[in-house]
Amino acid sequence: QKEVEQDPGPLSVPEGAIVSLNCTYSNSAFQYFMWYRQYSRKGPELLMYTYSSGNKEDGRFTAQVDKSSKYISLFIRDSQPSDSATYLCAMSSLHAGNNRKLIWGLGTSLAVNP
Amino acid sequence: NAGVMQNPRHLVRRRGQEARLRCSPMKGHSHVYWYRQLPEEGLKFMVYLQKENIIDESGMPKERFSAEFPKEGPSILRIQQVVRGDSAAYFCASSTTGGSYEQYFGPGTRLTVT
Repeated sequence: QKEVEQDPGPLSVPEGAIVSLNCTYSNSAFQYFMWYRQYSRKGPELLMYTYSSGNKEDGRFTAQVDKSSKYISLFIRDSQPSDSATYLCAMSSLHAGNNRKLIWGLGTSLAVNP
Repeated sequence: NAGVMQNPRHLVRRRGQEARLRCSPMKGHSHVYWYRQLPEEGLKFMVYLQKENIIDESGMPKERFSAEFPKEGPSILRIQQVVRGDSAAYFCASSTTGGSYEQYFGPGTRLTVT
């Protein structure tokens, strides 16, 4: 079993829809959770970063962490065609010591249709 | 405020040649990470370095691959005697010295081995 599981999709939604993207994980030591967006042939771009549990909102994006269920989500409101990309989750353990290695999901491909 | 810089953006090498990929982290960042990404696959961690130290190279192939991050200058990922299977996008990311774990990515180097 992978440490981080993410449905690769593809996920196709109409413009304006609310999008829900999710990752599950198995390591209860993970404390830092990140969401990245990657456009085709570009580097990943950091979207949201949360520490421990709870919600964080930034514009149309909301990140949620449920540590009891080992489940994280990214919600995109009023989705736009420009949101079409691959979304990657990544996480790290507080107890990693000096090692800040991130563990990554495989990414979910999202297409927002005009 | 320059982001993570990588060069070259595209690199073509014949089988058996050496490839050198360079990464300049963001200003104020002293942690560097190298990743490889193959088409339709996720990011694969290769190596994590701090200035003059390799912290974690668990994702690096044992042969032909090496990485360094000298006191002065960019981080270098070196691939000796390249083979066709080395063709991929190589991304560099950096993070700060402090407690923050967010990684910021460069645009990547696309290596093609002919």
